[in-house]
Amino acid sequence: DTAVSQTPKYLVTQMGNDKSIKCEQNLGHDTMYWYKQDSKKFLKIMFSYNNKELIINETVPNRFSPKSPDKAHLNLHINSLELGDSAVYFCASHSGGAWETQYFGPGTRLLVL
Amino acid sequence: AQTVTQSQPEMSVQEAETVTLSCTYDTSESDYYLFWYKQPPSRQMILVIRQEAYKQQNATENRFSVNFQKAAKSFSLKISDSQLGDAAMYFCACLNTNAGKSTFGDGTTLTVKP
Repeated sequence: DTAVSQTPKYLVTQMGNDKSIKCEQNLGHDTMYWYKQDSKKFLKIMFSYNNKELIINETVPNRFSPKSPDKAHLNLHINSLELGDSAVYFCASHSGGAWETQYFGPGTRLLVL
Repeated sequence: AQTVTQSQPEMSVQEAETVTLSCTYDTSESDYYLFWYKQPPSRQMILVIRQEAYKQQNATENRFSVNFQKAAKSFSLKISDSQLGDAAMYFCACLNTNAGKSTFGDGTTLTVKP
């Protein structure tokens, strides 16, 4: 069973379109994240949600809007896609307590043409 | 602000040899965790090893071990008996448990030569 899953795995779209990436975790974790990994492979946090509440919002354009319908899901919606949005987007969830660890999804490769 | 620095963009090692990847971090928090993640060409992020900052004993996982120097804020990863499958990008990360935020280094690409 996949612990953290993302759909789709690949996304190719035109500039200006709106797209969503979905993330689900079946680990019972309270905290979920979105990361962006650019072409240089630098990994940067975008958002963090704890129990459906936004707790971290790094300097990310308003075109990016996370949505957490419940604590097992954290979706990322992107409006008016730009060329610079092309990257790999990783979802992750975090277990707290004595086993503080982040578990990553497989990533979604987004290519904006 | 929390920072993580990996000063070696690229490293290479001969198969069966030992290699050490460097990582330094800076945090004002007293409660944090440190991690090494491996990212092979498939881009999957795989947890290699974790270290609780409050523990003095260095973590080990089979061929992987860390040298955690808390005062120096250093957290290096040692890979013993390197295998071809170890070739990947390795990320060091610091998790601030109060803020629930992880900061990642820029990664070190490890090449394993047969």
